Amino acid sequence: SQQGEEDPQALSIQEGENATMNCSYKTSINNLQWYRQNSGRGLVHLILIRSNEREKHSGRLRVTLDTSKKSSSLLITASRAADTASYFCATDPRYNQGGKLIFGQGTELSVKP
Amino acid sequence: GAGVSQSPRYKVAKRGQDVALRCDPISGHVSLFWYQQALGQGPEFLTYFQNEAQLDKSGLPSDRFFAERPEGSVSTLKIQRTQQEDSAVYLCASSSVGVGTEAFFGQGTRLTVV
Repeated sequence: SQQGEEDPQALSIQEGENATMNCSYKTSINNLQWYRQNSGRGLVHLILIRSNEREKHSGRLRVTLDTSKKSSSLLITASRAADTASYFCATDPRYNQGGKLIFGQGTELSVKP
Repeated sequence: GAGVSQSPRYKVAKRGQDVALRCDPISGHVSLFWYQQALGQGPEFLTYFQNEAQLDKSGLPSDRFFAERPEGSVSTLKIQRTQQEDSAVYLCASSSVGVGTEAFFGQGTRLTVV
């Protein structure tokens, strides 16, 4: 019953390259968030983009949001081996009353040194 | 505390056994969420508390699952008569307010039902 679809499911790149992950969702949203999860660990919040924003930057991260296409992308520039993790998009649906998040299936990123 | 703390980190239960999973949210955080994450999947919402009130339990998969937060801080997720399909990582998250803010996640409890 997950709202988000992410692609690719897995991505393998060399250190220094850029990594792009995409997320599509189904319902109107208040905001969309990206999280990172290292193997066996909890999720770490990366960035939040509101429904009235189109692009947001944080360090080496760039997130775009297209509400007309119900899609978002996460770009990690100049990737490092330490970026190896699973990345999840999560939406805060417009019908939400409590702030629960609806997660995608995730993209598993591997950055080779 | 410094972050969201969950215990135990790992739990192995025999089928039919009851288990209790604990979550200590960040001090002062009003909202607390439980999620279930199956292997290779994204987290799925289970239930949500605002202070001690359980405002949304729509994600609980069956009446064997029960959550409480009696004093508005620590929360316990209880699973009765565990089944193999309950095997998953159970994640707890807290946030200062419910809507439009960052949620802080604990490390999770990995439950294995044998």
